[in-house]
Amino acid sequence: DAKTTQPPSMDCAEGRAANLPCNHSTISGNEYVYWYRQIHSQGPQYIIHGLKNNETNEMASLIITEDRKSSTLILPHATLRDTAVYYCIVRVWYGQNFVFGPGTRLSVLP
Amino acid sequence: DADVTQTPRNRITKTGKRIMLECSQTKGHDRMYWYRQDPGLGLRLIYYSFDVKDINKGEISDGYSVSRQAQAKFSLSLESAIPNQTALYFCATSDLRNRESTDTQYFGPGTRLTVL
Repeated sequence: DAKTTQPPSMDCAEGRAANLPCNHSTISGNEYVYWYRQIHSQGPQYIIHGLKNNETNEMASLIITEDRKSSTLILPHATLRDTAVYYCIVRVWYGQNFVFGPGTRLSVLP
Repeated sequence: DADVTQTPRNRITKTGKRIMLECSQTKGHDRMYWYRQDPGLGLRLIYYSFDVKDINKGEISDGYSVSRQAQAKFSLSLESAIPNQTALYFCATSDLRNRESTDTQYFGPGTRLTVL
């Protein structure tokens, strides 16, 4: 079962920052937070992951609260191509699979 | 991700037929996985392999079999396809040998299978 809670849907204006929240109140000390997205029926695309420090890459930033019970994925300048379902997943790094919950359907509006 | 390819991309077959889905990767990863996705649902793990000849069942392995004869290839077979196996099938790879990768999985483009 998914260990995360995400809003089912969100809208964001094109060019603005998209902030996608995720609650993971039962996260263990050795579990990472991963974010993936799935555009239409394509294969899930890896975005970013982190343990306790904030992380940034060319796609997004990940902000993890100090108690690690929640996190926020930030797409700094959303484009129409960022419209997708975004999945927040917690897992130990050596686990055998990712458990994908329903995710958040982000719609970037022109 | 172009480093993980799946063939065929679409397949329509009939009940009772044997079907094989192929996955190839050029990432040099040691681990490979097969997932299925049903409409509106998340992905569920069918089988996974940590190395050549290593096979492990996932949560929904019944009705499926796999083969890992080479590090770069992982094939999924439906011995006798049935309509409720109609779904999107995804292959994924990861590299547990690289500790910094934290075993991030990279997915192929998917195979849409329809069983009539």
